[in-house]
Amino acid sequence: NAGVTQTPKFQVLKTGQSMTLQCAQDMNHEYMSWYRQDPGMGLRLIHYSVGAGITDQGEVPNGYNVSRSTTEDFPLRLLSAAPSQTSVYFCASSRGGSRNTEAFFGQGTRLTVV
Amino acid sequence: KQEVTQIPAALSVPEGENLVLNCSFTDSAIYNLQWFRQDPGKGLTSLLLIQSSQREQTSGRLNASLDKSSGRSTLYIAASQPGDSATYLCALITGANSKLTFGKGITLSVRP
Repeated sequence: NAGVTQTPKFQVLKTGQSMTLQCAQDMNHEYMSWYRQDPGMGLRLIHYSVGAGITDQGEVPNGYNVSRSTTEDFPLRLLSAAPSQTSVYFCASSRGGSRNTEAFFGQGTRLTVV
Repeated sequence: KQEVTQIPAALSVPEGENLVLNCSFTDSAIYNLQWFRQDPGKGLTSLLLIQSSQREQTSGRLNASLDKSSGRSTLYIAASQPGDSATYLCALITGANSKLTFGKGITLSVRP
Protein backbone atom coordinates (compact mmCIF):
# COMPACT_ATOMS: atom_id res chain seq x y z
CA ASN A 1 0.00 0.00 0.00
CA ALA A 2 2.56 2.58 -1.17
CA GLY A 3 0.31 5.61 -1.90
CA VAL A 4 2.45 8.61 -2.93
CA THR A 5 6.20 8.01 -3.01
CA GLN A 6 8.77 10.80 -3.23
CA THR A 7 12.50 10.46 -3.83
CA PRO A 8 14.96 11.51 -2.62
CA LYS A 9 14.06 12.30 1.00
CA PHE A 10 17.00 14.69 1.43
CA GLN A 11 19.16 16.57 -1.07
CA VAL A 12 21.86 19.22 -0.94
CA LEU A 13 22.57 21.18 -4.12
CA LYS A 14 25.01 23.88 -5.06
CA THR A 15 23.67 27.09 -6.55
CA GLY A 16 23.19 26.66 -10.27
CA GLN A 17 22.89 22.89 -10.26
CA SER A 18 19.81 21.19 -11.67
CA MET A 19 17.94 18.18 -10.35
CA THR A 20 14.68 16.31 -10.57
CA LEU A 21 12.45 15.45 -7.63
CA GLN A 22 10.55 12.26 -8.29
CA CYS A 23 6.91 11.59 -7.39
CA ALA A 24 4.96 8.42 -8.11
CA GLN A 25 1.49 7.27 -7.04
CA ASP A 26 -0.10 3.85 -7.37
CA MET A 27 -3.76 4.83 -6.80
CA ASN A 28 -4.58 5.63 -10.45
CA HIS A 29 -5.28 9.24 -9.49
CA GLU A 30 -5.77 11.78 -12.25
CA TYR A 31 -4.78 14.85 -10.23
CA MET A 32 -1.23 15.41 -9.04
CA SER A 33 0.45 18.50 -7.67
CA TRP A 34 3.60 19.87 -6.11
CA TYR A 35 3.75 22.14 -3.04
CA ARG A 36 6.56 23.75 -1.16
CA GLN A 37 6.44 24.35 2.58
CA ASP A 38 8.37 27.21 4.14
CA PRO A 39 8.35 28.49 7.74
CA GLY A 40 5.83 31.28 8.14
CA MET A 41 4.52 30.84 4.59
CA GLY A 42 2.64 27.57 4.84
CA LEU A 43 2.21 25.30 1.84
CA ARG A 44 2.10 26.91 -1.58
CA LEU A 45 1.22 25.31 -4.92
CA ILE A 46 4.03 25.15 -7.49
CA HIS A 47 2.54 23.18 -10.43
CA TYR A 48 -0.32 20.78 -10.90
CA SER A 49 -1.63 18.27 -13.44
CA VAL A 50 -5.18 17.14 -14.16
CA GLY A 51 -4.07 14.14 -16.21
CA ALA A 52 -1.32 12.72 -18.40
CA GLY A 53 -0.07 15.36 -20.82
CA ILE A 54 -1.79 18.26 -19.01
CA THR A 55 0.01 20.57 -16.60
CA ASP A 56 -0.52 24.10 -15.31
CA GLN A 57 1.15 26.65 -13.06
CA GLY A 58 0.30 27.23 -9.45
CA GLU A 59 1.10 30.13 -7.14
CA VAL A 60 4.94 29.93 -7.21
CA PRO A 61 6.03 28.29 -10.52
CA ASN A 62 9.19 30.28 -11.32
CA GLY A 63 12.36 28.20 -11.45
CA TYR A 64 10.49 24.90 -11.71
CA ASN A 65 9.41 22.74 -14.62
CA VAL A 66 7.05 19.77 -14.79
CA SER A 67 5.77 17.26 -17.29
CA ARG A 68 3.39 14.33 -17.00
CA SER A 69 3.89 11.54 -19.48
CA THR A 70 2.12 8.84 -17.41
CA THR A 71 -0.71 8.79 -14.88
CA GLU A 72 1.64 7.45 -12.19
CA ASP A 73 4.57 9.89 -12.35
CA PHE A 74 4.87 13.66 -11.92
CA PRO A 75 8.52 14.78 -11.64
CA LEU A 76 9.51 18.31 -10.61
CA ARG A 77 12.63 19.78 -12.21
CA LEU A 78 14.73 22.55 -10.75
CA LEU A 79 16.40 24.17 -13.72
CA SER A 80 19.13 26.18 -11.94
CA ALA A 81 18.93 25.88 -8.17
CA ALA A 82 18.94 29.04 -6.04
CA PRO A 83 19.14 29.42 -2.24
CA SER A 84 15.54 30.71 -2.31
CA GLN A 85 14.49 27.22 -3.37
CA THR A 86 15.64 25.75 -0.07
CA SER A 87 12.43 24.23 1.20
CA VAL A 88 10.49 21.05 1.87
CA TYR A 89 8.69 19.82 -1.23
CA PHE A 90 5.53 17.73 -1.14
CA CYS A 91 3.79 15.86 -3.91
CA ALA A 92 0.07 15.13 -3.66
CA SER A 93 -2.50 13.18 -5.64
CA SER A 94 -6.27 12.85 -5.70
CA ARG A 95 -8.87 11.08 -7.77
CA GLY A 96 -10.44 14.31 -8.91
CA GLY A 97 -13.93 15.52 -9.65
CA SER A 98 -16.16 17.49 -7.33
CA ARG A 99 -16.72 14.58 -4.90
CA ASN A 100 -13.38 12.79 -4.99
CA THR A 101 -10.97 15.49 -4.01
CA GLU A 102 -9.40 13.89 -0.92
CA ALA A 103 -5.69 14.56 -1.34
CA PHE A 104 -2.92 12.19 -0.31
CA PHE A 105 0.60 13.43 0.28
CA GLY A 106 4.07 11.95 0.04
CA GLN A 107 6.58 12.13 2.88
CA GLY A 108 8.40 15.10 1.37
CA THR A 109 11.83 15.99 -0.01
CA ARG A 110 13.94 18.29 2.13
CA LEU A 111 16.10 20.36 -0.24
CA THR A 112 18.96 22.63 0.76
CA VAL A 113 20.64 24.88 -1.80
CA VAL A 114 24.02 26.26 -0.75
CA LYS B 1 -8.25 35.37 -3.73
CA GLN B 2 -9.15 32.76 -1.14
CA GLU B 3 -7.44 33.27 2.23
CA VAL B 4 -7.39 30.68 4.98
CA THR B 5 -6.65 31.63 8.58
CA GLN B 6 -5.91 29.40 11.54
CA ILE B 7 -5.65 31.07 14.93
CA PRO B 8 -3.91 30.64 17.31
CA ALA B 9 -0.67 29.44 15.72
CA ALA B 10 0.12 27.31 18.78
CA LEU B 11 -1.88 25.74 21.56
CA SER B 12 -0.89 23.82 24.70
CA VAL B 13 -3.44 21.85 26.71
CA PRO B 14 -3.38 19.22 29.47
CA GLU B 15 -4.13 15.62 28.61
CA GLY B 16 -7.82 14.71 28.66
CA GLU B 17 -9.12 18.11 27.61
CA ASN B 18 -11.65 18.43 24.79
CA LEU B 19 -10.51 21.07 22.33
CA VAL B 20 -11.56 22.92 19.21
CA LEU B 21 -9.26 24.05 16.41
CA ASN B 22 -10.60 26.81 14.19
CA CYS B 23 -10.22 27.49 10.48
CA SER B 24 -11.73 30.51 8.74
CA PHE B 25 -11.86 31.37 5.04
CA THR B 26 -12.87 34.38 2.99
CA ASP B 27 -14.66 32.88 -0.03
CA SER B 28 -17.61 30.58 0.64
CA ALA B 29 -17.59 29.19 -2.92
CA ILE B 30 -15.66 26.07 -1.99
CA TYR B 31 -15.90 22.48 -3.20
CA ASN B 32 -14.63 20.72 -0.13
CA LEU B 33 -12.51 21.21 2.98
CA GLN B 34 -9.86 18.82 4.24
CA TRP B 35 -8.12 18.61 7.63
CA PHE B 36 -4.58 17.24 7.85
CA ARG B 37 -2.16 16.30 10.59
CA GLN B 38 1.59 16.83 10.22
CA ASP B 39 4.14 15.40 12.63
CA PRO B 40 7.58 17.10 12.79
CA GLY B 41 9.68 16.25 9.74
CA LYS B 42 6.92 14.17 8.21
CA GLY B 43 4.35 14.44 5.45
CA LEU B 44 0.68 15.37 5.71
CA THR B 45 -1.81 12.76 6.85
CA SER B 46 -5.44 13.23 5.83
CA LEU B 47 -7.79 13.27 8.82
CA LEU B 48 -11.19 14.27 7.46
CA LEU B 49 -12.70 15.50 4.20
CA ILE B 50 -15.96 17.48 4.34
CA GLN B 51 -17.77 17.90 1.05
CA SER B 52 -19.48 21.23 0.44
CA SER B 53 -22.92 19.64 0.77
CA GLN B 54 -22.08 18.22 4.20
CA ARG B 55 -22.00 19.95 7.57
CA GLU B 56 -19.77 17.56 9.48
CA GLN B 57 -17.68 14.42 9.41
CA THR B 58 -16.54 12.16 12.24
CA SER B 59 -13.65 9.75 12.66
CA GLY B 60 -13.02 8.27 16.09
CA ARG B 61 -12.31 11.10 18.54
CA LEU B 62 -12.28 13.68 15.74
CA ASN B 63 -15.24 15.66 14.48
CA ALA B 64 -15.00 18.34 11.81
CA SER B 65 -17.76 20.78 10.96
CA LEU B 66 -18.24 23.16 8.06
CA ASP B 67 -20.31 26.36 7.94
CA LYS B 68 -19.86 27.91 4.51
CA SER B 69 -22.13 30.88 5.21
CA SER B 70 -19.91 32.08 8.05
CA GLY B 71 -16.67 30.94 6.41
CA ARG B 72 -15.67 28.64 9.25
CA SER B 73 -14.65 25.07 9.95
CA THR B 74 -13.79 23.55 13.31
CA LEU B 75 -11.93 20.38 14.22
CA TYR B 76 -13.06 18.98 17.57
CA ILE B 77 -10.71 16.59 19.38
CA ALA B 78 -12.25 14.70 22.27
CA ALA B 79 -10.26 13.54 25.31
CA SER B 80 -6.91 14.75 23.96
CA GLN B 81 -3.81 12.56 24.38
CA PRO B 82 -0.07 13.32 24.17
CA GLY B 83 -0.04 11.38 20.89
CA ASP B 84 -2.31 14.07 19.42
CA SER B 85 0.59 16.54 19.59
CA ALA B 86 1.22 17.68 16.01
CA THR B 87 0.46 20.49 13.60
CA TYR B 88 -3.08 20.54 12.25
CA LEU B 89 -3.75 22.15 8.86
CA CYS B 90 -6.97 22.91 7.09
CA ALA B 91 -7.12 23.24 3.33
CA LEU B 92 -9.86 24.36 0.97
CA ILE B 93 -10.57 22.89 -2.42
CA THR B 94 -12.10 25.59 -4.57
CA GLY B 95 -12.36 23.91 -7.96
CA ALA B 96 -12.72 20.55 -9.68
CA ASN B 97 -8.98 20.56 -10.37
CA SER B 98 -8.40 19.75 -6.68
CA LYS B 99 -6.04 22.62 -5.97
CA LEU B 100 -5.62 23.14 -2.24
CA THR B 101 -5.33 26.46 -0.42
CA PHE B 102 -3.81 25.92 3.02
CA GLY B 103 -3.93 27.69 6.33
CA LYS B 104 -0.61 27.99 8.15
CA GLY B 105 -1.60 25.41 10.74
CA ILE B 106 -2.03 25.16 14.49
CA THR B 107 0.74 23.44 16.46
CA LEU B 108 -0.88 21.49 19.26
CA SER B 109 0.97 20.25 22.33
CA VAL B 110 -0.86 17.94 24.75
CA ARG B 111 0.88 17.82 28.13
CA PRO B 112 0.83 14.51 30.08
